[in-house]
Amino acid sequence: EVQLVESGGGLVKPGGSLRLSCAASGFTFSTYSMTWVRQAPGKGLEWVSSITSTSAYIYYAASMKGRFTISRDNAKNSLFLQMNSLRAEDTAVYYCARVLGGTVLGSYYYYMDVWGKGTAVTVSS
Amino acid sequence: QSVLTQPPSASGTPGQRVTISCSGSSSDIGSNAVIWYQQLPGTAPKLLIYSNNQRPSGVPDRFSGSKSGTSASLAISGLQAEDEADYYCAAWDDSLNGFYVFGTGTKVTVL
Repeated sequence: EVQLVESGGGLVKPGGSLRLSCAASGFTFSTYSMTWVRQAPGKGLEWVSSITSTSAYIYYAASMKGRFTISRDNAKNSLFLQMNSLRAEDTAVYYCARVLGGTVLGSYYYYMDVWGKGTAVTVSS
Repeated sequence: QSVLTQPPSASGTPGQRVTISCSGSSSDIGSNAVIWYQQLPGTAPKLLIYSNNQRPSGVPDRFSGSKSGTSASLAISGLQAEDEADYYCAAWDDSLNGFYVFGTGTKVTVL
């Protein structure tokens, strides 16, 4: 069964750090791009960061760039998100997801076909 | 980072057809494929439609997607109680500060 399981969430003070992990199973992790998406309480989905299969390309949303670092360990089928200088507005459920992307007739498709159940991060004093 | 615009809510009675719109720009929907995700209450999002109008295996054919210019639509025909959920459109964004943008989300209520 294809599965993604996030961990590492919790309560952290403003300015603090947290490292999220995502354990993948049931598919060849090293051949897929991966992404983190978050959802603040009662709010919509927000893309956070993506990493290609070999870590050659990494992308961040503007509001996370410089504070968050995405990485992966293909030998351990794991995805990570290091979050520093956390703010109250970073409070959210963080989902990891598998990505499929490519180009068809000049149009780029990019979507998440497998999602984890999420891990909750609360930034509060 | 720009977002795609959706109506906050939509509703219908069982069996009705409901349509959700998604408005973007030339750098996102206008240039790239539209995706739709369904999020049932208290659960993680689920892929519903990819590449504008393609359904993953297991998604009922009463869900359909379309795209025209810088807008897209999701239609649910034969609405069922289990379709009550939040629906999000998404697309890759080619603009300088964008990468992947989600819609604002639409809550579908089955009356």
